[in-house]
Amino acid sequence: EVQLVESGGDLIQPGRSLRLSCATSGFTFDDYAMHWVRQAPGQGLEWVSGISWNSAYIAYGDSVKGRFIISRDNAKNSLHLQMNSLRPEDTAFYYCAKDTTYYHSSAYDSWGQGTLVTVSS
Amino acid sequence: SSELTQDPAVSVALGQTVRITCQGDSLRSYFASWYQQKTGQAPLLVIDGQNNRPSGIPDRFSGSSSGNTVSLTITGAQAEDEADYYCNSRDSSGNPTYVFGTGTKVTVL
Repeated sequence: EVQLVESGGDLIQPGRSLRLSCATSGFTFDDYAMHWVRQAPGQGLEWVSGISWNSAYIAYGDSVKGRFIISRDNAKNSLHLQMNSLRPEDTAFYYCAKDTTYYHSSAYDSWGQGTLVTVSS
Repeated sequence: SSELTQDPAVSVALGQTVRITCQGDSLRSYFASWYQQKTGQAPLLVIDGQNNRPSGIPDRFSGSSSGNTVSLTITGAQAEDEADYYCNSRDSSGNPTYVFGTGTKVTVL
């Protein structure tokens, strides 16, 4: 069974940094691209970042470009999101999602339950 | 970045058919996937970019595309299909970035 478990969400002040992690199991992690998707409370889904199987192709949404860094550790089957210079508008549930391909696509067939990041003073 | 526009809400009588649309310039060039999200749950992939249903998704869900519009059709809607539905496709910027649609709330009457 595929499992994705996010961790690291917290209440944090604007301007500070936070690192999210996603522990995975039940599939061959380094065969698939991975993504972070967020959802502000009561709002729609927003794609945040994606990384290919070998970390060669990395992309970010405009709202986080230059502030967030996605990475993966294929030896530990884990995905990470380093979030810097956090803003109140970054407040959201952050989901880790598994792509259906090794590169990037719009199809994410497994999701974690999300971790809540609240940016507030 | 490009946008994907969906109707905010639609309703369908139990057992009837409903079509949810998603419009955007990037859809002329790129495939789209569809997700179902029930309250308090993570999204669930119901149609992938090739208009295929993942394992376990009922065959009443189908996808199609034409020009700058992609559609998700539920044929014979069931009470458990009441949820928010989002399309997702690659941004038209040329980079491998993605954008979700604005979302459609489906109510089954």
